[in-house]
Amino acid sequence: EVQLVESGGGLVQPGGSLRLSCSASGFTFSSYAMHWVRQAPGKGLEYVSAISSNGGSTYYADSVKGRFTISRDNSKNTLYLQMSSLRAEDTAVYYCVRGGTAVAGTGLDYWGQGTLVTVSS
Amino acid sequence: QSALTQPASVSGSPGQSITISCTGTSSDVGGYNYVSWYQQHPGKAPKLMIYDVSNRPSGVSNRFSGSKSGNTASLTISGLQAEDEADYYCSSYTSSSTPYVFGTGTKVTVL
Repeated sequence: EVQLVESGGGLVQPGGSLRLSCSASGFTFSSYAMHWVRQAPGKGLEYVSAISSNGGSTYYADSVKGRFTISRDNSKNTLYLQMSSLRAEDTAVYYCVRGGTAVAGTGLDYWGQGTLVTVSS
Repeated sequence: QSALTQPASVSGSPGQSITISCTGTSSDVGGYNYVSWYQQHPGKAPKLMIYDVSNRPSGVSNRFSGSKSGNTASLTISGLQAEDEADYYCSSYTSSSTPYVFGTGTKVTVL
């Protein structure tokens, strides 16, 4: 069974940093692109970032470019999102999501339960 | 990257069919056959319902179907059931700096 479990969310002050982790199991992690998608309270889904299966290619939404860094450790079956210079508008539930074997195309087929990040003083 | 445009809400009676539209541009919906649809119940993670315009993942009811014409994709739910009441989001591959863009979301109400 595919499982994605996020951790690392919490309350952080504006300008602060936080690192999210996503532990994957039930599939060959190193064969799949992975993504982060967020959802602000009461709002829609927003695409945040993606990383290729070998970590060689990364992609970011304009809203987080230069502040967030996506990475992965295929030996630990873990995906990360390092967030810095956090703003109130980054407050959201962050979902770890499995894509296809390539970053582009096809659907995002497995989603974690999400971890809440709250940016507030 | 601008969000794809969906109607804010759609409603129907049990047993009826409803269709949700998702309008983009030639840089996303119209340019690629990589449109997906997601169902989200309150407090839950989204669930993939349709991928690559019209394909259903294993386990998804055949009451859900997808199509595309030009820059607009559509999700049709036939034989509407109470359990279909949820938010629905479309998504498309895009040639912009990020590989995907989501729609604005549609709340489906079963009357």
